[in-house]
Amino acid sequence: QVQLVQSGAETKKPGASVKVSCKTSGYTFADYGFIWVRQAPGQGLEWLGWISAKNDYTKYADDVQGRLLMTTDKVTITAYLELRSLRSDDTAVYYCAAGVGANIESWGQGTLVTVSS
Amino acid sequence: DVFLTQSPLSLSVTLGQPASISCRSSQRLVHTDGNTYLSWFLQRPGQSPRRLIYRVSRRDSGVSDRISGSGSDTDFTLHISRVEAEDVGVYYCLQATEWYSFGQGTKLEIK
Repeated sequence: QVQLVQSGAETKKPGASVKVSCKTSGYTFADYGFIWVRQAPGQGLEWLGWISAKNDYTKYADDVQGRLLMTTDKVTITAYLELRSLRSDDTAVYYCAAGVGANIESWGQGTLVTVSS
Repeated sequence: DVFLTQSPLSLSVTLGQPASISCRSSQRLVHTDGNTYLSWFLQRPGQSPRRLIYRVSRRDSGVSDRISGSGSDTDFTLHISRVEAEDVGVYYCLQATEWYSFGQGTKLEIK
């Protein structure tokens, strides 16, 4: 099963940007798609978007469209999420998850992003 | 957009008793490829979600056979035949037929 290891916690000021990485191992990178999900404190899971590792095709959720950028690096087999113009309500644990086609199976350990002045 | 509605939102169950969680979709979840991409995940306190069931009823490796999934079209159910202490956490359904969306989550605790 694919293993996903995310970068460490971040604290940012409102208006700044954050970039979270998700390094993979244990499978053929191009076979997989990644989704990014966030979980605000005490809340449920919110889907943010999807990227294909094969062709970098992306689909973003409406709520973050325009502020979110998802990319992959096929050399380091890493997926990235970048969120711009941060607001206090972006404070959450951000997860990457991966799977073949629509079968999302594996999750990273999560990255806490805190937005505070 | 596809909306998933879980019920109940919280569940208190005596050890050894059964439990079930419903997930209802605002649209049919049959994909054009004929598959139904409805999965169930368990998030234990302080942990990442872990997949239990995929494509409605297929159990992941290492998941107890006390746990099963059923349903079709817009109505889906997660069943736990005999609740154990390790089942405590929040259960989420996820649809991946039309992009992705999660249910609100159902918190299971031991009575």
